[in-house]
Amino acid sequence: AQSVTQPDIHITVSEGASLELRCNYSYGATPYLFWYVQSPGQGLQLLLKYFSGDTLVQGIKGFEAEFKRSQSSFNLRKPSVHWSDAAEYFCAVLGKAAGNKLTFGGGTRVLVKP
Amino acid sequence: EAQVTQNPRYLITVTGKKLTVTCSQNMNHEYMSWYRQDPGLGLRQIYYSMNVEVTDKGDVPEGYKVSRKEKRNFPLILESPSPNQTSLYFCASSSWRESYEQYFGPGTRLTVT
Repeated sequence: AQSVTQPDIHITVSEGASLELRCNYSYGATPYLFWYVQSPGQGLQLLLKYFSGDTLVQGIKGFEAEFKRSQSSFNLRKPSVHWSDAAEYFCAVLGKAAGNKLTFGGGTRVLVKP
Repeated sequence: EAQVTQNPRYLITVTGKKLTVTCSQNMNHEYMSWYRQDPGLGLRQIYYSMNVEVTDKGDVPEGYKVSRKEKRNFPLILESPSPNQTSLYFCASSSWRESYEQYFGPGTRLTVT
C-alpha cells in the first residue's frame, strides 16, 4: 500500500531564511509525486509535481523539490521565505495502479517569524 | 475559467439529518474524488469515480454515498450524519489522458451536532 510521511508537524522559520520540508513515500513502482499548499481557510494549490526525468523540479512561488529514489524522499525547498509562505504544506503520492488514488501525508504547518 | 465548485461552503446540521454536498467540474475530467481533511491526518480519500456510473471506495467510505450520473457532477451524500463526520471536505477532478494532476474545489466545512 502506498503511504506518505511528513516527519515535521510544525516548522518555524524567520522571514528571509531558507526552508526545507521533508517528505518520505512508500510506493512499489515509479511514483508520481506532488506538493500542495493550503493557505489558512483556502483550498489546495499545486506547487509542483514530479512524474519522470530531471529529479530537481521547479514549481510556483520559488519552490523546488528533489526526488531521491534511493531515499524514497521528495523534499521541498525554498531559498528565502516570505511572510506569505505561512501555510500548511502537503506531500502526496499518486498510485496509478490503485485507481489514480492520491495519498497525502499528514501535512507540515509553516510559521514565518518577522 | 477551469474550476471545481462545491456547495455549500459551510454547513451546520444535526445528527441523522440527510444532506448532500454537490461537486461540479467544467473541465470534462473523467476522474473525480472526495476527500476529508482532519487535523494531523492530511486528506483521506472517501470515494472516487473513474468515469460516469463507475465509483469505488477510498480509505474512509463508511457513512458516505456517492453517485456519478453525469460526467461533470459527483455529489457526496451523508444519509445519517454523525458528529464524527464533522470535517473539511474537498472534491477533486483530473484527467489521466492529459495529466494526473488533481484540481481541488474550495472545500466544504461540515459541522454535525
